[in-house]
Amino acid sequence: AQSVTQLGSHVSVSEGALVLLRCNYSSSVPPYLFWYVQYPNQGLQLLLKYTSAATLVKGINGFEAEFKKSETSFHLTKPSAHMSDAAEYFCAVSEGSSASKIIFGSGTRLSIRP
Amino acid sequence: GAVVSQHPSRVICKSGTSVKIECRSLDFQATTMFWYRQFPKKSLMLMATSNEGSKATYEQGVEKDKFLINHASLTLSTLTVTSAHPEDSSFYICSARGDVNTEAFFGQGTRLTVV
Repeated sequence: AQSVTQLGSHVSVSEGALVLLRCNYSSSVPPYLFWYVQYPNQGLQLLLKYTSAATLVKGINGFEAEFKKSETSFHLTKPSAHMSDAAEYFCAVSEGSSASKIIFGSGTRLSIRP
Repeated sequence: GAVVSQHPSRVICKSGTSVKIECRSLDFQATTMFWYRQFPKKSLMLMATSNEGSKATYEQGVEKDKFLINHASLTLSTLTVTSAHPEDSSFYICSARGDVNTEAFFGQGTRLTVV
């Protein structure tokens, strides 16, 4: 069975500071990994995804994540936080086939201090 | 990216009635659609997976007779919450995926309130 664990349900950083949201995964097969962002009362928007190509994945809005198999991690980072980054972030995993379901982590709420 | 439209965005219904939520892929053919439920300040829980023309596959613990899913065409899936009760109040989100190994796109969600 696949699963993801997001460490920290709430992360608060100052505007302009580094953003680091942690995600560890568990999968019996090579995983596909995703980071999604959700704004209040809205659906999910894909930030980036890892599909067994480059281990450092660049996404939208300046976010990136690095797949580390030895650590079973896929942490999300952004060098400089912006106020508009305040949202809920979900790490997710799937087996990668077209019919595979996506399993979500518990989410991390990112707050940005002025 | 591709567009998935969910309707309605908000619905309030009386306890005991049924509510239908639509999920449409507007610019691609959705071979597979997923339905999720999200409780306040919680993650998304996968309820079921449906492939066009086939019966939906429900996750453990999800009542298939209560949450009826129909995926009759490649652009439309519906979730019907039957005999709704206040505990069914939640945020329901669908996602749709097209061809092999393509990205799944999410609808904007439906806020269901049962009174």
